[in-house]
Amino acid sequence: KAGVTQTPRYLIKTRGQQVTLSCSPISGHRSVSWYQQTPGQGLQFLFEYFSETQRNKGNFPGRFSGRQFSNSRSEMNVSTLELGDSALYLCASSLDTVSSYGYTFGSGTRLTVV
Amino acid sequence: SQKIEQNSEALNIQEGKTATLTCNYTNYSPAYLQWYRQDPGRGPVFLLLIRENEKEKRKERLKVTFDTTLKQSLFHITASQPADSATYLCALENNDMRFGAGTRLTVKP
Repeated sequence: KAGVTQTPRYLIKTRGQQVTLSCSPISGHRSVSWYQQTPGQGLQFLFEYFSETQRNKGNFPGRFSGRQFSNSRSEMNVSTLELGDSALYLCASSLDTVSSYGYTFGSGTRLTVV
Repeated sequence: SQKIEQNSEALNIQEGKTATLTCNYTNYSPAYLQWYRQDPGRGPVFLLLIRENEKEKRKERLKVTFDTTLKQSLFHITASQPADSATYLCALENNDMRFGAGTRLTVKP
């Protein structure tokens, strides 16, 4: 079966712009979580969506937002980009909100803010 | 505050030996603890999950233990191979999932 698909794979933006990243989960998976990964901070939880509702949110500013569609696909948006937003953004999907089968991650979107 | 600590940033071992990685946590009551492998430039890959009421879980050359009293999990790779070289992450789940910083394992031939 197809894995978690994240698009685009690479992105370069300038400060002040906004960006939208996309994640298509594994078919049948209803939970989608987003993470930011940087060398200094590691994997940090952004938010989780389940059945189009945000269940949890990490400690990120309001510039970071997301949504989930009825087909479970998810997007995250970052407005007013800052240099510090440069990171690998990862999305993970699971069957349910607490998955005893683990989470399946996509390959990520590498965002560079210049 | 909640903390997840993986004891070593890096671990180097010889091929054939057992690698043991540690994950400690504070101010958490995780329902599940998971271990992932991550290769450079890729997303983490799920390896094993252990529940709070389980002491040990095995899968092929991998073994995970979970001690909720010590608030610690140990992850073992037996008969290690150079292909096991990667970063290993522990993750705690209770409402949402949070990751440790990871341990970079290098297995030398």
